Amino acid sequence: SQQGEEDPQALSIQEGENATMNCSYKTSINNLQWYRQNSGRGLVHLILIRSNEREKHSGRLRVTLDTSKKSSSLLITASRAADTASYFCATDKGTGNQFYFGTGTSLTVIP
Amino acid sequence: DVKVTQSSRYLVKRTGEKVFLECVQDMDHENMFWYRQDPGLGLRLIYFSYDVKMKEKGDIPEGYSVSREKKERFSLILESASTNQTSMYLCASSPGGGLKTQYFGPGTRLLVL
Repeated sequence: SQQGEEDPQALSIQEGENATMNCSYKTSINNLQWYRQNSGRGLVHLILIRSNEREKHSGRLRVTLDTSKKSSSLLITASRAADTASYFCATDKGTGNQFYFGTGTSLTVIP
Repeated sequence: DVKVTQSSRYLVKRTGEKVFLECVQDMDHENMFWYRQDPGLGLRLIYFSYDVKMKEKGDIPEGYSVSREKKERFSLILESASTNQTSMYLCASSPGGGLKTQYFGPGTRLLVL
């Protein structure tokens, strides 16, 4: 059974707009991570947020975590065409070594 | 920079063939993982290894085996390839302890005919 489920499945926006993706999970976690995958490539780690954190920033990325709702969101501000990719959330299984990955949100940024 | 390399980007094999997918990481990471990625199913863990010669089954180990004889190398073996093993295979590594961020290779797209 999958932990992370991203929403929406696909998102298309104009360059310069903000993009928001959501992730919901089922059981308690130690941390949650977001990854990006460009078409046909491996995943690249973007940001990690611990269960005792509520918000984290990295450049144009802002991640929030609400453990009471078992959900997280990834906001990309001032999007660029180069942000076009699939974005995945990953939640740990409690052991810290393994993660559940969701099915991802496909983001298209139109120049 | 952490580098995870996979032996092939694209591979075409016949049903019944034995297939080896190799993964090498250069950061002395303890943990290594093999995933497969299919449309609509996301990434699913096949096997992982937390030390040399150690392995643990993931969520979908059936039809696969692994080998980790050296710390930097983790091999995925399809004993007898089947068409339902056509997929994108992703290798990842992560350090032991700490934050457990995973570093991925570029992937191998395997087609079994």
